[in-house]
Amino acid sequence: RKEVEQDPGPFNVPEGATVAFNCTYSNSASQSFFWYRQDCRKEPKLLMSVYSSGNEDGRFTAQLNRASQYISLLIRDSKLSDSATYLCVVSAFRRDTGRRALTFGSGTRLQVQP
Amino acid sequence: DAGVTQSPTHLIKTRGQQVTLRCSPKSGHDTVSWYQQALGQGPQFIFQYYEEEERQRGNFPDRFSGHQFPNYSSELNVNALLLGDSALYLCASSLGGPEGKLFFGSGTQLSVL
Repeated sequence: RKEVEQDPGPFNVPEGATVAFNCTYSNSASQSFFWYRQDCRKEPKLLMSVYSSGNEDGRFTAQLNRASQYISLLIRDSKLSDSATYLCVVSAFRRDTGRRALTFGSGTRLQVQP
Repeated sequence: DAGVTQSPTHLIKTRGQQVTLRCSPKSGHDTVSWYQQALGQGPQFIFQYYEEEERQRGNFPDRFSGHQFPNYSSELNVNALLLGDSALYLCASSLGGPEGKLFFGSGTQLSVL
């Protein structure tokens, strides 16, 4: 089982739609969670951190469910410019190194149609 | 303020050759991490450098090695290239460790023929 799993999509939605992505993680000791956005043939960029209480940034809402070990990203009023791959990232402490390590999911591709 | 810069942008090698990729972190950052991203996959962690030492390593063979210089820039070396090493190699910098707030370079696309 992968440490971080995402539905690869693609999710094809019309402009203005609301779309939600889920991501599950296997390491119960995971401590920090993030969503990154990656445009085609570009580098990943941090979209937002995910906090236990849930957090919102404009049209984007991220939520964390520690009991079920999943995080979600909700995008409201989708824009054409939201078309990209959304990567779920989990940070967990590694005993062998004494440091935290990041694990990326494979990403969920979103295509917003006009 | 320069972001993360990587060179070269593209590289073509043949099996068995060796390659060196370079990265300059974002100004003020002291930690450099390297990732391999195959087509349709998320970035896979190779290793991380801090204070000129390898601090963490992912599940990559010893053919993958690196270095960090006093100015925080870094190199990734891959020996005995295999066809499966063809991928986008991303360098990411951060300050003080992988808290998730990574700044990525635009990557080096390596093709092994």
